[in-house]
Amino acid sequence: QSVLTQPPSASGTPGQRVTISCSGSSSNIGINYLYWYRQLPGTAPKLLIHRNNQRPSGVPDRFSGSKSGTSGSLAISGLRSEDEADYYCVAWDDSLNGWEFGGGTKLTVL
Amino acid sequence: QVQLQQSGPGLMKPSQTLSLTCAISGDSVSTNSAAWNWIRQSPSRGLEWLGRTFYRSRWYNDYAVSVRGRIAINPDTSKNQFSLQLNSVTPEDTAVYYCARGPCSGTSCYSMDVWGKGTTVTVSS
Repeated sequence: QSVLTQPPSASGTPGQRVTISCSGSSSNIGINYLYWYRQLPGTAPKLLIHRNNQRPSGVPDRFSGSKSGTSGSLAISGLRSEDEADYYCVAWDDSLNGWEFGGGTKLTVL
Repeated sequence: QVQLQQSGPGLMKPSQTLSLTCAISGDSVSTNSAAWNWIRQSPSRGLEWLGRTFYRSRWYNDYAVSVRGRIAINPDTSKNQFSLQLNSVTPEDTAVYYCARGPCSGTSCYSMDVWGKGTTVTVSS
């Protein structure tokens, strides 16, 4: 049971906009930054969004992040087939004194 | 460009001690601007942060509650690397293990931005 809750799956068609949610609590998302990662099969997670809504260099502006209260979301616009991957949210938890991962959302591009 | 190179055995027997190493290039394990993390991933537990080590005038460690008491993460400044030791492993510890850098600024550290390729560790009798 993950401390951060994500839907296990999401889907969309090419060109569509898809959002993935991440729900936490006052000890993690409520007071700390939210991060998003993308993971392709057999590879390490790659940082997609840092500090709630910042994109590392090289990440297209199709990807955006937001946070409000104890929840946040990742939005992907102009969906492409190569966006099919697993997406994870992460936040520091002050009560557990550690990084907490969401359970992951498998995005399917129909 | 920071790179992390992992090494260590992939097959272990229950009750043994898991030992993995992460060699750093392009950065220093002793830097004040990063923390050095271990994370694992398994189908049953998903992605799970295990712990970190970092240097701020002295060495600090933080460990996940789930493995506290049988984990040690240690820096090796002579080789610019850090290691993971996990004692008394069971089949539940079977996972892909990753090392990763978490950038820091002052007293604030941020989530992992550079990851190793991962090491598959299987615990089986």
